[in-house]
Amino acid sequence: QVQLQQSGPELVKPGALVKISCKASGYTFTSYDINWVKQRPGQGLEWIGWIYPGDGSTKYNEKFKGKATLTADKSSSTAYMQLSSLTSENSAVYFCARSGDYDYWGQGTTLTVSS
Amino acid sequence: QIVLTQSPAIMSASPGEKVTMTCSASSSVSYMHWYQQKSGTSPKRWIYDTSKLASGVPARFSGSGSGTSYSLTISSMEAEDAATYYCQQWSSNPPTFGAGTKLELK
Repeated sequence: QVQLQQSGPELVKPGALVKISCKASGYTFTSYDINWVKQRPGQGLEWIGWIYPGDGSTKYNEKFKGKATLTADKSSSTAYMQLSSLTSENSAVYFCARSGDYDYWGQGTTLTVSS
Repeated sequence: QIVLTQSPAIMSASPGEKVTMTCSASSSVSYMHWYQQKSGTSPKRWIYDTSKLASGVPARFSGSGSGTSYSLTISSMEAEDAATYYCQQWSSNPPTFGAGTKLELK
């Protein structure tokens, strides 16, 4: 069955960077986009961008350009999102979701930015 | 970007009651998609392409609409339906989500 397994919670200091992973299984990793979505506590969902692991192409929400960098490792069927120059505004739960259909989601990774 | 406005923000319904929530788009979209999210869990695809039920979604749910006005309806509320429902469009970049409708059991 299709699964997206995300990395565990992160506690990082302001100004640092973090890399969150999303390991896919149960389907052909290179055939579907991986989307990344942000959810701040008690708030709605915000699309960050997608990566197509087949060729590494990406598309970003303008709001997250320069903040998020999406990559994928075909050998391990894992997608990554790196967030840089972290501030408290980046504290949130981050989800990966498969394809434009968002038909399967990871369990979420909680990022806390605090000194 | 297209702004999606969901209403109401919060609602409650008794078991057996019919429930309707709406999603209004700032510009016309081809399709609307809906997700169910319960506290502490990831969203689940619930209704896609405006009216298609995702796998495992009970038949009491339905979706409809076109252009800028869409809705999700539950024909008869059940306790397990209490959750937050988000609409989403990806007709136009960037994909955007509504702020959600929190449905509570009365």
